[in-house]
Amino acid sequence: NAGVTQTPKFRVLKTGQSMTLLCAQDMNHEYMYWYRQDPGMGLRLIHYSVGEGTTAKGEVPDGYNVSRLKKQNFLLGLESAAPSQTSVYFCASSRGFGGPTGNEQFFGPGTRLTVL
Amino acid sequence: GESVGLHLPTLSVQEGDNSIINCAYSNSASDYFIWYKQESGKGPQFIIDIRSNMDKRQGQRVTVLLNKTVKHLSLQIAATQPGDSAVYFCAENMDNDMRFGAGTRLTVKP
Repeated sequence: NAGVTQTPKFRVLKTGQSMTLLCAQDMNHEYMYWYRQDPGMGLRLIHYSVGEGTTAKGEVPDGYNVSRLKKQNFLLGLESAAPSQTSVYFCASSRGFGGPTGNEQFFGPGTRLTVL
Repeated sequence: GESVGLHLPTLSVQEGDNSIINCAYSNSASDYFIWYKQESGKGPQFIIDIRSNMDKRQGQRVTVLLNKTVKHLSLQIAATQPGDSAVYFCAENMDNDMRFGAGTRLTVKP
């Protein structure tokens, strides 16, 4: 099992450009998440999905869109990139929601995005 | 929270010593807590979790202690090894809203 994979690993964009980050998991997990990680700060949830065809906003959703057309894939889109979106983006998946039921989140290796 | 600004708290220990990493969480109603390990250039990795109805939970070489009175969580690593060098951060959950701390950087000296 590959677990959670992310593509690309690195990307440099100019302000105003668009791009899509791809996350794939092979664990048949229902829940998937997109986080951003900035220096000196904890992970912040951008969007998440509780199943194929569903998406929901997290803590910092502005400027991002997501889609979950297939259960194993969760796409994060930036329509018009801004320097404030320079960050490391992590995708995660879990069998259930990361609450007291103990559904561990498995993370991908991250995508380092720089917006100039 | 664990840190403010760009610089993470750091902890440096000698190989073989025990490490204690602390986390102050923010919400007294949080009911589930997780410790993660993040090595440089990699994604976070689950270490151990604990529910709010417990005070202590042990894993292999790791122990998590929860003090709800002062909203404090700690991770103890026994016989710290060079491979334990990483950033460790805690997460708290309430109503399926998971919030993450920034972390503490652990360096193990040989």
